[in-house]
Amino acid sequence: EAEVAQSPRYKITEKSQAVAFWCDPISGHATLYWYRQILGQGPELLVQFQDESVVDDSQLPKDRFSAERLKGVDSTLKIQPAELGDSAMYLCASSRIAGAYNEQFFGPGTRLTVL
Amino acid sequence: QQPVQSPQAVILREGEDAVINCSSSKALYSVHWYRQKHGEAPVFLMILLKGGEQKGHEKISASFNEKKQQSSLYLTASQLSYSGTYFCGAHLGSGGSNYKLTFGKGTLLTVNP
Repeated sequence: EAEVAQSPRYKITEKSQAVAFWCDPISGHATLYWYRQILGQGPELLVQFQDESVVDDSQLPKDRFSAERLKGVDSTLKIQPAELGDSAMYLCASSRIAGAYNEQFFGPGTRLTVL
Repeated sequence: QQPVQSPQAVILREGEDAVINCSSSKALYSVHWYRQKHGEAPVFLMILLKGGEQKGHEKISASFNEKKQQSSLYLTASQLSYSGTYFCGAHLGSGGSNYKLTFGKGTLLTVNP
């Protein structure tokens, strides 16, 4: 069964350092999402791609976060510089297309700890 | 606007039933339900659309009340494997190409032997 791949699974960094997360969606899925999940909360959408284009990044802290999906396949989320409040699980998800009837498939996530 | 889930937590014995609710102050277009086990990724359970369409696992049932802007997930004859945190994701408004889910805070379900 096809899965969304993410790496690394765990990342520990010091504040002010740069970190990057990678996501490889299910083959053929045009829509890719990056979520942040704080412990005890639901996932919060950071950025949504349709192919290589950003269609929603309204909740992305653009002063420190950036995301790209250059060829419309895999994607990278970067934080620079990391802050203590960035400690969270970063989830990547993909769907065949964006739409009310299309479920999202989540990757295992990257657990970020900022010291 | 984040949907509100209730209850926040529920503890069951194997075989018992539970209902988890997801309510919105804004008009719901569709609701997605996911289950997340500790340390794992959320797993899709069901989609309910305004108008009555549904898509999901055969053993999971849910409802969508357009008048109340609420969806309910019904877990019957619970099994130990049902344990986890259940999230509803709401698509608010009238739909559209920039489909975006806003998730609730989750309901922690614990099923004991």
